[in-house]
This record gives sequence, C-alpha cells and structure tokens, in this order.
Amino acid sequence: AQSVSQHNHHVILSEAASLELGCNYSYGGTVNLFWYVQYPGQHLQLLLKYFSGDPLVKGIKGFEAEFIKSKFSFNLRKPSVQWSDTAEYFCAVNGKEGANNLFFGTGTRLTVIP
Amino acid sequence: DAGVTQSPTHLIKTRGQHVTLRCSPISGHKSVSWYQQVLGQGPQFIFQYYEKEERGRGNFPDRFSARQFPNYSSELNVNALLLGDSALYLCASSLTNSGQGVHTGELFFGEGSRLTVL
Repeated sequence: AQSVSQHNHHVILSEAASLELGCNYSYGGTVNLFWYVQYPGQHLQLLLKYFSGDPLVKGIKGFEAEFIKSKFSFNLRKPSVQWSDTAEYFCAVNGKEGANNLFFGTGTRLTVIP
Repeated sequence: DAGVTQSPTHLIKTRGQHVTLRCSPISGHKSVSWYQQVLGQGPQFIFQYYEKEERGRGNFPDRFSARQFPNYSSELNVNALLLGDSALYLCASSLTNSGQGVHTGELFFGEGSRLTVL
C-alpha cells in the first residue's frame, strides 16, 4: 500500500527564513512525486512535480524539492520565505503504473510572520 | 479561462439523506477525479473517470457512486449519508489518462463542495 508522511503539521517562520518541509512515502516501485499548495481561500494547485531524471526539481515561486530514492523522501525547500507563502502544503505520490490516483499526505500548514 | 467548477459550494444534509455533487472540468480535459478531504487530513481518492468510464476507485463504500457525462462533466452521489461523510469534496480534472501516452500527473482542482451532515 502507498502512503505519504508529512511530519511537520504546522511550521511558523519569519520572513526571509529558510524552509524545509519533510515528505516521506511508502512504495517500493517507481514513483511520481508532487507538492501541491493551497493558499487561504483558494483551491489546490501544483507547486512542482518529479517524474524522472534530475532528482532536484524546481517549481513555481522559488520552491524546489529533492527526490532521494534511498530515503524515500521528497522534501520541499525554499531559501527565503515570504509572507505570501503562508499556505497549506501537501505532498503526494502516484506510485502505481497506470494509475491516476494520488496519495496525499496530511499536509503542513506554513505561517510566515512579516 | 474557466477552471474546474463545482456546485454547490456548501450544503447541509441530515443522516440518511442523499447528496449529488457536480463538477465541470477545464475545457478540453477528459479526465475527472473526485477526492474527499476531511478536516485536518489530506485529500483521499474516491473515483477517477476518463472518457465516461470508471478508471479507478478508492477505498470507499458502495454508498459512493459517480458518473461522467458526454460533455465530461461529472456527478458524485452519496447515499445514506453518515456523520462521517462531512468533508470537503474536491473535483480535479486532467488532460490525459494514464493510458494515453505520458500522464503528466497534474491535476487541476476545483474549490470543492463542503458537505456537512447533521
């Protein structure tokens, strides 16, 4: 069975601080990995994704994530957060060949203090 | 461009009732998926439809059903509502199905229908 763990439930940072949100998944096969973001009052939207190739992927708004296969991890990073990054962040995995369904983590709420 | 639209945005039902939620995908998208998001949890996969056929089903009871219409819009039906069905129901559309070449995996979500069961 596939599962995703996000260990940080709520993170509070000051502007300009660096961010790293943890994501670990459980699946033994080939995976596609995603980070989705939900800004207050808005719908879920894709932040970045990994399918294959360079394990360091860059997304929108200066976010990046690194796929470390040996650690089953796909942590999200940003060198300097802004107040506008306040949102809920969801890690998701699609680990079954031919399957469209995503398995989401429980989410991490990020609050950035100006 | 219109994104994924869902209706109604909010609704309140009582236990035992039935509910129908509707979704219109982004124009040109042929795949629609439904997810349930309980407060404090991530979205959980319910169904995926592509070209009007069910292509995937999550671990939900038979009280949950869905269908996709020729115009690719979709309905999610839940019968015999339970208190535990209270959640945000998300619809997502995508351009392709996994069997149609490279599946980008990018789902475009609507804002959801918030269902409260009393």
